[in-house]
Amino acid sequence: GQGVEQPDNLMSVEGTFARVNCTYSTSGFNGLSWYQQREGHAPVFLSYVVLDGLKDSGHFSTFLSRSNGYSYLLLTELQIKDSASYLCAVRDLASSGSWQLIFGSGTQLTVMP
Amino acid sequence: EAAVTQSPRSKVAVTGGKVTLSCHQTNNHDYMYWYRQDTGHGLRLIHYSYVADSTEKGDIPDGYKASRPSQENFSLILELASLSQTAVYFCASSDLGGDEQYFGPGTRLTVL
Repeated sequence: GQGVEQPDNLMSVEGTFARVNCTYSTSGFNGLSWYQQREGHAPVFLSYVVLDGLKDSGHFSTFLSRSNGYSYLLLTELQIKDSASYLCAVRDLASSGSWQLIFGSGTQLTVMP
Repeated sequence: EAAVTQSPRSKVAVTGGKVTLSCHQTNNHDYMYWYRQDTGHGLRLIHYSYVADSTEKGDIPDGYKASRPSQENFSLILELASLSQTAVYFCASSDLGGDEQYFGPGTRLTVL
């Protein structure tokens, strides 16, 4: 069906990496954004991609494959403070004709010492 | 510093009562949004606005009204609050592209 899907949980180890996956099926597509949300706080924008391939932004990198409806957020050199929920959001065309962000439910990343 | 602020930060309301949540932004953005977030769920769009004095329905508008009296202010109104409207409500703003949205700190609403 239509929507944005993410795994609920992900665990990794400090100093290593974590890959947060996102799959989507929407009627339209005009880009995909990633947000970080710490417990009890508002989402914070991390990255936006609209073209296929890997976008390297240092600590955070994002990959997009439009033909497969797939993206991932890659966090390298993990720190304990990277523990948070990571939200994937697809810019989809609403029935009103305007573009809206459709959010996934988020992946809770836990970074272990 | 550009910011999105919300008031109140938390609210306890009774079933059937009226609740108004307020949002103010200093980003000079045209677009403003109201989302709700339920435990373990993502953000769902309730209403949005791209110009003052005009609002649009999002994905889950039933039971909610919105008001945009100026570019800076956007309110969410629950005329008859219900138990199912217990959630955290986030306001956000963006420019025309809408890809990077700036969120307020959220309002935790509990309806008893």
